[in-house]
Amino acid sequence: AQSVTQPDIHITVSEGASLELRCNYSYGATPYLFWYVQSPGQGLQLLLKYFSGDTLVQGIKGFEAEFKRSQSSFNLRKPSVHWSDAAEYFCAVYGNKLVFGAGTILRVKS
Amino acid sequence: DAGVIQSPRHEVTEMGQEVTLRCKPISGHNSLFWYRQTMMRGLELLIYFNNNVPIDDSGMPEDRFSAKMPNASFSTLKIQPSEPRDSAVYFCASSLTGTGREKLFFGSGTQLSVL
Repeated sequence: AQSVTQPDIHITVSEGASLELRCNYSYGATPYLFWYVQSPGQGLQLLLKYFSGDTLVQGIKGFEAEFKRSQSSFNLRKPSVHWSDAAEYFCAVYGNKLVFGAGTILRVKS
Repeated sequence: DAGVIQSPRHEVTEMGQEVTLRCKPISGHNSLFWYRQTMMRGLELLIYFNNNVPIDDSGMPEDRFSAKMPNASFSTLKIQPSEPRDSAVYFCASSLTGTGREKLFFGSGTQLSVL
């Protein structure tokens, strides 16, 4: 069975600073990996996904993520955070079913 | 397209009452998913349908929960009788083919409070 861990429950960054949200997965084969974002009172929206090929994937809103097989990680990054990025971010892995991590709440201070 | 539409947005009910949550998936999507989100357990898949047929209901917590999809444009999640521990945000999502490897489109959720 697959599982996903997001070690950070909360992260606070200053507007304009860089961001990295951590995600570690467990699955026996190469999984399908996703990052979703949830704004308050809203459903989840897909930011990006990795299936195969280039391990650095670009997503919407200036986000990118890098798949590192050796570390079983799929960390989300953004070079410069905007106040509107404040939200909860979920990493998800699909092996034989889609499983979401517990989420990381991002706070942006001005 | 209006996206996935859920109703009601908020539901407050008393313990023991029947609750029905509704979902209209995106037109043309063949798969529909019901998720529950709580602080303690995060986002849990309750059940998913493919072509209106329930494929995996292993996440349904107990017999008090039931879900139906009578046609491609409508699904319900029913809780009878409801209990305070059912309080959560319930999300419906749809996707084109339901393989699980593709993008899910989520509704805005129903915030359920059982008193």
